[in-house]
Amino acid sequence: AQSVTQPDIHITVSEGASLELRCNYSYGATPYLFWYVQSPGQGLQLLLKYFSGDTLVQGIKGFEAEFKRSQSSFNLRKPSVHWSDAAEYFCAVSAAGGTSYGKLTFGQGTILTVHP
Amino acid sequence: DGGITQSPKYLFRKEGQNVTLSCEQNLNHDAMYWYRQDPGQGLRLIYYSQIVNDFQKGDIAEGYSVSREKKESFPLTVTSAQKNPTAFYLCASERGNSYNEQFFGPGTRLTVL
Repeated sequence: AQSVTQPDIHITVSEGASLELRCNYSYGATPYLFWYVQSPGQGLQLLLKYFSGDTLVQGIKGFEAEFKRSQSSFNLRKPSVHWSDAAEYFCAVSAAGGTSYGKLTFGQGTILTVHP
Repeated sequence: DGGITQSPKYLFRKEGQNVTLSCEQNLNHDAMYWYRQDPGQGLRLIYYSQIVNDFQKGDIAEGYSVSREKKESFPLTVTSAQKNPTAFYLCASERGNSYNEQFFGPGTRLTVL
């Protein structure tokens, strides 16, 4: 069965500093990977996704993520954090791994706090 | 605007009562999902439906029930058999051939007193 691990429960950064959120997955086939962001009491918004091709993917709000098959990782990065980036971030992997419908398996989430 | 709506935003119920959470989408997506979110545990799948009049249990289906009579609607009933129903519930939908990219509603926070 697939699994996702986000090793950092809580990360604190200063506004303007760079950010990297870690995500490791376990999945036998080629994974389809996602990063979502959630503001308190809200639903999840898709930041970016990886299906195939270029292993560095760009998303919304200035985020990017790099797929590294050898490390089973899909880390999320941003060069300069804004106070509005404070939220909870979830990494997810697709169970179907294809074009059929399938459930997503989520990591436990990383809470990002941004200091002014 | 297309999207997913969940109502109500906050719901309070007494212990032992069944309660139904609404989820509606106008994205014309075939598949719909219900997740439960608890602090520090990420999202866990309750039920999902790939087509009208058909649905499958997820990882934590005990104490929950669903129906899918219309493509646009996927209501979730939290029954009195659910031992710890207080949580944040999220509904999502997915179109076909999208590599399982799911779109989420704003969620319903259920508190059982």
